Amino acid sequence: DADVTQTPRNRITKTGKRIMLECSQTKGHDRMYWYRQDPGLGLRLIYYSFDVKDINKGEISDGYSVSRQAQAKFSLSLESAIPNQTALYFCATSDQGRETQYFGPGTRLLVL
Amino acid sequence: DAKTTQPPSMDCAEGRAANLPCNHSTISGNEYVYWYRQIHSQGPQYIIHGLKNNETNEMASLIITEDRKSSTLILPHATLRDTAVYYCIVRVVRGSGNTGKLIFGQGTTLQVKP
Repeated sequence: DADVTQTPRNRITKTGKRIMLECSQTKGHDRMYWYRQDPGLGLRLIYYSFDVKDINKGEISDGYSVSRQAQAKFSLSLESAIPNQTALYFCATSDQGRETQYFGPGTRLLVL
Repeated sequence: DAKTTQPPSMDCAEGRAANLPCNHSTISGNEYVYWYRQIHSQGPQYIIHGLKNNETNEMASLIITEDRKSSTLILPHATLRDTAVYYCIVRVVRGSGNTGKLIFGQGTTLQVKP
């Protein structure tokens, strides 16, 4: 089984809908991250969490919220989806001691 | 975190070594050089990292110049499955200001050809 999983893998939604993307990890890492990637561009950080009680905004957090339900789970919500949130979303984890990040397979989101 | 500069694209013949350069002339003494790659819309994959010494693992070698202003990722025997976008990232690993953020630039698209 994959160490970092994301659900759903693909999602089509309409403008104004609330949706949630979920991330789970079995690596035992304490740090988790959400990134988005737009076509032809690098990844940009949305939110990150260094432990269950720690949530931090990244560079593009507007329009998004997160929940760290447990060490292994980190969810990203779009409160009211808009078309420019159409992107590829990646979850990542890292261990405090090593800092190397391990990425999930991504969720492709289309907002109509 | 220091900025990096990479060529936008490179070609390599299958079985030959692929040498991917990266310039990071503003790197600070406590910043590491990391390399990740992304194979067609999959999640980025960690390859290797280093501070000032050359590093080697099962995937690649990392050569960092003595002044640390540039580095080269070497894939010793490139295969078609190595076709990907390769990202060179410079970041502080420990200490104040460490958000854990990875700043992905445009990267180098490596095309391995038969």
